[in-house]
Amino acid sequence: RKEVEQDPGPFNVPEGATVAFNCTYSNSASQSFFWYRQDCRKEPKLLMSVYSSGNEDGRFTAQLNRASQYISLLIRDSKLSDSATYLCVVNPRYNFNKFYFGSGTKLNVKP
Amino acid sequence: GAGVSQTPSNKVTEKGKYVELRCDPISGHTALYWYRQSLGQGPEFLIYFQGTGAADDSGLPNDRFFAVRPEGSVSTLKIQRTERGDSAVYLCASTMGAGAGANVLTFGAGSRLTVL
Repeated sequence: RKEVEQDPGPFNVPEGATVAFNCTYSNSASQSFFWYRQDCRKEPKLLMSVYSSGNEDGRFTAQLNRASQYISLLIRDSKLSDSATYLCVVNPRYNFNKFYFGSGTKLNVKP
Repeated sequence: GAGVSQTPSNKVTEKGKYVELRCDPISGHTALYWYRQSLGQGPEFLIYFQGTGAADDSGLPNDRFFAVRPEGSVSTLKIQRTERGDSAVYLCASTMGAGAGANVLTFGAGSRLTVL
C-alpha cells in the first residue's frame, strides 16, 4: 500500500470555479503535511504547509483530518495560472527527514 | 548559491554506460536529498545526506546506484551500467536540516536522464 494516495485527475474546470482535491495517507504517525505545486517539466515547489487547525493563503485553503487520515486543498476563483499538478507530501513523526510524495493531481483551468 | 543547481539538465546515454549527476545545494543547507521522478508519478526517495554522511540510502533501487557528498556540500549521484528503466528525472533537494526550515524542501530543476 502506498504511503500517500491521490486521484490523478485531470480535473478540468472553468476559470472562476472552485475545485478541491483530497489526499489520503496510510501512516497514522505522520506528523507534517504539505502541498507542492509542479508545473509541466519543472521542479516541485512548496505551495503551503497544512496545519492541524487548517490554514488559508489567499485563494488556497488546506485542511487536515487526522481521524480519517486525509488532507485537502481547496482552490477558489481558479485562474488559468493555477493549471499544474498538485503533489501531496507527508512527513512521518518517526523519521523527521523522510518525505513521502503522492503521484499528484493534475488541474487544468480552462478559459 | 541562491538556489539548488543541478547538472547536466539533460543527459542521453546508451544502455550499459556510466553516468554522474551533480547537485549543488543552497549554501548553508546541511540536508540534501535525491529523488527520482518518472512520468506521471510523484518523486520517489532515493537517498538523504546530513552533512557528509548518507543518513538514509534505503531508496536506492540496487547497487548500481551510489551517491557521495564528500565535503558536505555538492553531491554526485552515480549510476553504473545504466538500463532503460533508469530513464527518469533525477531531482535534488536541500533543506536547512534543523530548525524552522528543516522540513521545507527546495528542489533543483532536475537532471533528465534518457537511456537508449
